[in-house]
Amino acid sequence: DQQVKQNSPSLSVQEGRISILNCDYTNSMFDYFLWYKKYPAEGPTFLISISSIKDKNEDGRFTVFLNKSAKHLSLHIVPSQPGDSAVYFCAAIPRAGGTSYGKLTFGQGTILTVHP
Amino acid sequence: DGGITQSPKYLFRKEGQNVTLSCEQNLNHDAMYWYRQDPGQGLRLIYYSQIVNDFQKGDIAEGYSVSREKKESFPLTVTSAQKNPTAFYLCASSPRQPNTEAFFGQGTRLTVV
Repeated sequence: DQQVKQNSPSLSVQEGRISILNCDYTNSMFDYFLWYKKYPAEGPTFLISISSIKDKNEDGRFTVFLNKSAKHLSLHIVPSQPGDSAVYFCAAIPRAGGTSYGKLTFGQGTILTVHP
Repeated sequence: DGGITQSPKYLFRKEGQNVTLSCEQNLNHDAMYWYRQDPGQGLRLIYYSQIVNDFQKGDIAEGYSVSREKKESFPLTVTSAQKNPTAFYLCASSPRQPNTEAFFGQGTRLTVV
């Protein structure tokens, strides 16, 4: 039962263009959404997050969009750079309270390759 | 310099042996987590702990055990009952408050030989 899904295993983009990574979720109790970036043999590093009360959050080249009715979020990277090449994971946290408090559920990840 | 330290980075184990992976944090976080990464499957939650002396099973707890005797430490034991233990193991911690990110260690690659 995959509650957070990233249906594109990989994405290839030219340097300077936009990268769009997508994520879908099924659990309506998810309240907070995060994107992590991961290099091989390293731990994930936090990129950007969004609360369910917002539909957009921006941080430099990174913007996350949330469509609650569609249970869909996306990460936009503009402009893409070769150093952005990594695996990107979306994750979700349920509302506070209960035994699932703070528990992050991750998607399968999308491998982004940015070509010079 | 605050962070999460996992040791060792690489670990080899013979079949049938138990092995313990170390995770220490000095971020003063209440919550700690263990995840496992396999190719194409993302990160799957093994165990998590919200406070000292308390922990809950995640989605794939079978064959694993944990303890949380100190706030800073959350060791994971991979027992011989774990049928497919070769994987990349990640430890994380977070403050025990709503809507906050978790911070990850650098991971331990466990290989069963």
